[in-house]
Amino acid sequence: DIQMTQSPSSLSASVGDRVTITCRASQSITNYLNWYQQKPGKAPKLLIYGASSLRSGVPSRFSGSGSGTDFTLTITSLQPEDFATYYCQQSYRTRAFGQGTKLEIK
Amino acid sequence: QVQLQESGPGLVKPSETLSLTCTVSGGSISSYYWNWIRQPPGKGLEWIGYVYYSGTTKYNPSLQSRVTISVDTSRNQFSLKLSSVTAADTAVYYCAREVEARAVAGGLVEYFDLWGRGALVTVSS
Repeated sequence: DIQMTQSPSSLSASVGDRVTITCRASQSITNYLNWYQQKPGKAPKLLIYGASSLRSGVPSRFSGSGSGTDFTLTITSLQPEDFATYYCQQSYRTRAFGQGTKLEIK
Repeated sequence: QVQLQESGPGLVKPSETLSLTCTVSGGSISSYYWNWIRQPPGKGLEWIGYVYYSGTTKYNPSLQSRVTISVDTSRNQFSLKLSSVTAADTAVYYCAREVEARAVAGGLVEYFDLWGRGALVTVSS
């Protein structure tokens, strides 16, 4: 099985900050890496697919990069609605999620 | 637009079988991969498995011995059965559609583009 590890598990930041969340796969998954945002009581929403493709309608302050085993999600100029939990997910073999990164307001 | 809706009992006794159905409305189930994903209270997401409209399935190895996912194209529904449940199976269960698209970085990649609202299932006597 491919294990996905995110860091950090939680993060405090302020409106306007730039933040980066990292996701590491236990083996190469090329670019089969997606990022989701989840708010309390809601289903996750897709932000980025294929490591760096921005889903239509998602603000351009969200971006993804990486390939192989190491990936990052970057949010530039944090907005109040961005405080949520973020998950990476691989679709290279079966499917698996990272454990999540909770982004909180400082 | 296409919507997904989970339905089924909200309370299941230990050792019994959890059964949920996801109804696809506003579109046909006859394409795509249809997934079940769960989230224990206060914890992260766990992929359970998927069914293709043709009936092909794939499961999370950690749950494979207890999981069955099936599809009923005539009703535009797919279903989850999880046997021998324990308190550890208490979770919000989501159904989700998986699609394939060409990525900027290259290749055809799969991702969950549409989710149901989720159904809380509690395992308790």
